[in-house]
Amino acid sequence: GESVGLHLPTLSVQEGDNSIINCAYSNSASDYFIWYKQESGKGPQFIIDIRSNMDKRQGQRVTVLLNKTVKHLSLQIAATQPGDSAVYFCAEKAGNTPLVFGKGTRLSVIA
Amino acid sequence: GAGVSQTPSNKVTEKGKYVELRCDPISGHTALYWYRQSLGQGPEFLIYFQGTGAADDSGLPNDRFFAVRPEGSVSTLKIQRTERGDSAVYLCASSANGGYTGELFFGEGSRLTVL
Repeated sequence: GESVGLHLPTLSVQEGDNSIINCAYSNSASDYFIWYKQESGKGPQFIIDIRSNMDKRQGQRVTVLLNKTVKHLSLQIAATQPGDSAVYFCAEKAGNTPLVFGKGTRLSVIA
Repeated sequence: GAGVSQTPSNKVTEKGKYVELRCDPISGHTALYWYRQSLGQGPEFLIYFQGTGAADDSGLPNDRFFAVRPEGSVSTLKIQRTERGDSAVYLCASSANGGYTGELFFGEGSRLTVL
């Protein structure tokens, strides 16, 4: 059978709908968080970041929400487009330490 | 070039062989990172260079893995006596700032397959 590692959480949304991708992080000392988008065969691409002294940050069509109480991060994509189909990773960093990536969520946009 | 360049894009080798993977960062970026990404997983940190020196090699899995950046620009990741478990995509990233700050710009990766 297939490895469990091949089964990424998947979110399927209709084109034009809003998408919400969630991430639970583990390190309560993390003070900086980033969302990356990775298309097939490419490296991760920066989308948006947020520092721990904020709970919300908006970009173009994207919003990141941070809830430090429950160690939860979410990425909201407005008016999802086919080009948004990719794997999305949250990443966290605590002080002067390397960026640590989560496992990823695959977003599929249905035209 | 405009972005981070990695070569080869694909490498197939046999168990026990030696492999070198090259990364050419964005011009002027002082910080360079190597990550490894297994199928269905997020990238895992291997090593970080600030200039020519390895500032943090805590992610290297064992002494078969080694990386250099002799002139503070191009970096080479070297893997000795490759094992099947080394099969993964090896990603390189660079940033303009040091100390793990600033946006990381990733290359497209080198896919290593060990038979």
